[in-house]
Amino acid sequence: GQNIDQPTEMTATEGAIVQINCTYQTSGFNGLFWYQQHAGEAPTFLSYNVLDGLEEKGRFSSFLSRSKGYSYLLLKELQMKDSASYLCAVRDSNYQLIWGAGTKLIIKP
Amino acid sequence: ETGVTQTPRHLVMGMTNKKSLKCEQHLGHNAMYWYKQSAKKPLELMFVYNFKEQTENNSVPSRFSPECPNSSHLFLHLHTLQPEDSALYLCASSQRDAEANEQFFGPGTRLTVL
Repeated sequence: GQNIDQPTEMTATEGAIVQINCTYQTSGFNGLFWYQQHAGEAPTFLSYNVLDGLEEKGRFSSFLSRSKGYSYLLLKELQMKDSASYLCAVRDSNYQLIWGAGTKLIIKP
Repeated sequence: ETGVTQTPRHLVMGMTNKKSLKCEQHLGHNAMYWYKQSAKKPLELMFVYNFKEQTENNSVPSRFSPECPNSSHLFLHLHTLQPEDSALYLCASSQRDAEANEQFFGPGTRLTVL
């Protein structure tokens, strides 16, 4: 079966750096996405990786290793507003998104 | 209006009621999706429409009935629901021929079935 694994919850300190990992086993691979979802709000698109390596976008970076079935989202200079759930999703060979259950990130002052 | 809008934002209904959820996208996209989001579970894809044609129906019970009259509007008709259908229902849209084809989500309808 297809599976996306990510930690259920993480805690970090304001101003610090946090890395949220995602591992996947899917039938085929056509890209990996990270979304941010604040409580009670819609998921919003953060990043897209289709080739191995690091994609940087401001304070957020996303890394992909297709051979390892692994990705991470790196958040730098954490702010209180970064408290949210972070969803990892992989597009499979049928071009359908397979979603992880999300990682709830708690930022403490 | 911009982005993806959904109405109503909250809905409480009995098991014998019939109601409809509405989604509208203002992004000029050609694909629309219905998802179910339950607490601490992955997003569950329910239906996919490409250019108004339904292309996916992921074993969704017939008490959920989608309708896509045009590429900007999507409905989810509900009838004879069960309490376990209580969840957040999210609509999304995307441009299928774009490289990333990332999905843009609406704010969701929080559904409670009594």
